[in-house]
Amino acid sequence: GNSVTQMEGPVTLSEEAFLTINCTYTATGYPSLFWYVQYPGEGLQLLLKATKADDKGSNKGFEATYRKETTSFHLEKGSVQVSDSAVYFCALSAYSGNTPLVFGKGTRLSVIA
Amino acid sequence: DTAVSQTPKYLVTQMGNDKSIKCEQNLGHDTMYWYKQDSKKFLKIMFSYNNKELIINETVPNRFSPKSPDKAHLNLHINSLELGDSAVYFCASSQRTGGQETQYFGPGTRLLVL
Repeated sequence: GNSVTQMEGPVTLSEEAFLTINCTYTATGYPSLFWYVQYPGEGLQLLLKATKADDKGSNKGFEATYRKETTSFHLEKGSVQVSDSAVYFCALSAYSGNTPLVFGKGTRLSVIA
Repeated sequence: DTAVSQTPKYLVTQMGNDKSIKCEQNLGHDTMYWYKQDSKKFLKIMFSYNNKELIINETVPNRFSPKSPDKAHLNLHINSLELGDSAVYFCASSQRTGGQETQYFGPGTRLLVL
């Protein structure tokens, strides 16, 4: 079946540090890949997505590249801010009809000033 | 305007009670979902409806019954609530395009069963 594995948290960084959250997936066919973010007490918001190999999704300084050869979609940001503190979810949607998102377990990021 | 809204935002109730959570989307999407997020933040699909028709029903107890009166609404009714039902329930919607669509989530309903 389809699955997503992302690095265990929590991750604690100082402001302006470089962020990487690893995400790998297992899927049949050609899934679309997503990063969602959940700020404290809120619902999930789409952060970025990529729908085919070598696509790069980017938003708010975050980037992730769809790597089919390594089945990965790692999230990166060059300089994190305190306001980036949240839980980050990697997810995939299989390209076959109407499928729900399959989520990783989430990675909590805390950025300290 | 809120794209996907849920009511109530918080729900505290006793074991054995029956409760409902409502979800509405104003995005014109044809597909809606219910996800459950447990205490460890793990998210899992419960149900999915496309054009009011149930298309995904994961291994969820029969006490949970989704109802979709129209494409814009997907409600979740829970009978005989149990302690283990305590979680955050998220509604989401998307427009069916074969897997590339973005799902938009509601703010969540925090259910606590005492």
